[in-house]
Amino acid sequence: DTEVTQTPKHLVMGMTNKKSLKCEQHMGHRAMYWYKQKAKKPPELMFVYSYEKLSINESVPSRFSPECPNSSLLNLHLHALQPEDSALYLCASSRPGQADQPQHFGDGTRLSIL
Amino acid sequence: GENVEQHPSTLSVQEGDSAVIKCTYSDSASNYFPWYKQELGKGPQLIIDIRSNVGEKKDQRIAVTLNKTAKHFSLHITETQPEDSAVYFCAARHTYNQGGKLIFGQGTELSVKP
Repeated sequence: DTEVTQTPKHLVMGMTNKKSLKCEQHMGHRAMYWYKQKAKKPPELMFVYSYEKLSINESVPSRFSPECPNSSLLNLHLHALQPEDSALYLCASSRPGQADQPQHFGDGTRLSIL
Repeated sequence: GENVEQHPSTLSVQEGDSAVIKCTYSDSASNYFPWYKQELGKGPQLIIDIRSNVGEKKDQRIAVTLNKTAKHFSLHITETQPEDSAVYFCAARHTYNQGGKLIFGQGTELSVKP
């Protein structure tokens, strides 16, 4: 079982809906990440939080809004998404500050945009 | 920027045979190289990693080798089993990238036939 928990596992939403993805870890990690993964492709980094502050935004459209309310939780707020945003959204966590710390992934939320 | 190439894209072996997946990277300053296994419907699972001050690392049936001069690293799986069937991703991380950004290869779909 993964130590990074993501909810919901599946989400279907219309283009005008607002929804949120949630991620939780209790490993004491202070770096958390959002990735997007299309079928048969590697994960693509979207956002990085370090010590609850946004440190990297990979030029992600504003219809994706991340939030890190505390050291264990990471949210991704979704609004006015497009069909091409349908994908697997993965959360990961690691110890920050060292480039060689492993990232641990959750099992993702499979998002479908109607 | 860093680029990681992974070969082959698909690999089919008989149960009990060995499997080898190879990756090359472009940035000589990269110092951390993890390997992830992703099963259908799951997130990537870290299976082994290696740092640039080490040439080889083993964990039971899995081993990783790193050649810094040639800038390539390989995953070796011995005595393959059907449960090894999955997509495998290699990745590299830059020494000075404190954001923790991993650069992934394109993935290898491994199929182990009973």
